[in-house]
Amino acid sequence: QSVLTQPPSVSGTPGQRVTISCSGSGSNIGRKYVYWYQQFPGTAPKLLIYRNDQRPSGVPDRFSGSKSGTPPSLAISGLRSEDEADYYCAAWDDSLSGNWVFGGGTKLTVL
Amino acid sequence: QVTLTESGPALVKPRQTLTLTCTFSGFSLSTSAMCVGWIRQPPGRALEWLALIDWDDDKYYSTSLKPRLTISKDTSKNQVVLTMTNMDPVDTATYYCVRTIIVRGVPDAFDIWGQGTMVTVSS
Repeated sequence: QSVLTQPPSVSGTPGQRVTISCSGSGSNIGRKYVYWYQQFPGTAPKLLIYRNDQRPSGVPDRFSGSKSGTPPSLAISGLRSEDEADYYCAAWDDSLSGNWVFGGGTKLTVL
Repeated sequence: QVTLTESGPALVKPRQTLTLTCTFSGFSLSTSAMCVGWIRQPPGRALEWLALIDWDDDKYYSTSLKPRLTISKDTSKNQVVLTMTNMDPVDTATYYCVRTIIVRGVPDAFDIWGQGTMVTVSS
């Protein structure tokens, strides 16, 4: 049971825009940054979005993060077949002594 | 170029202690704010954070696993070691070494990941 809640799966057709939500609580995403990671089968996760809406160098601007809405979300516009992967949200949880918490992951299928 | 490489046993028996080593290059763990840690992922399941150690030797542990974990560093060797006691089949997972920095007292994004090492717990 993950602390952060994501939809198990989302799908879209090439060119479409999809969003993946990430729900949590006040001790994590309520007052801390949200991060997003992309993982292809058999490979290590890769940082996709940091501090809610920042893209590391090399990440296409088709990927965007938002915390202005409720819940926070990852949006992928101009969907491509190579975007098919698992996506995880994460946040620091400052309850107790502090922990990193993750969502259960969302499998994106490009139809 | 920043790299992280995990090493350790592929198979451990129940109740044994697991020792994993992360050897890194391209940065120094003596640099202010630098941090290295571990995240695991059971087959077909989600990511789970385990522990972090920072440049000042401060250690951060998963609350649920803290009794079983110890993280340490050898700055001169560019290595971070994680031990996990009393291993159980549910601990079967890929274990990733990760890098982050401390920003205003809180760990930031895991910007670099190792390729991971698969550990199976079985008798």
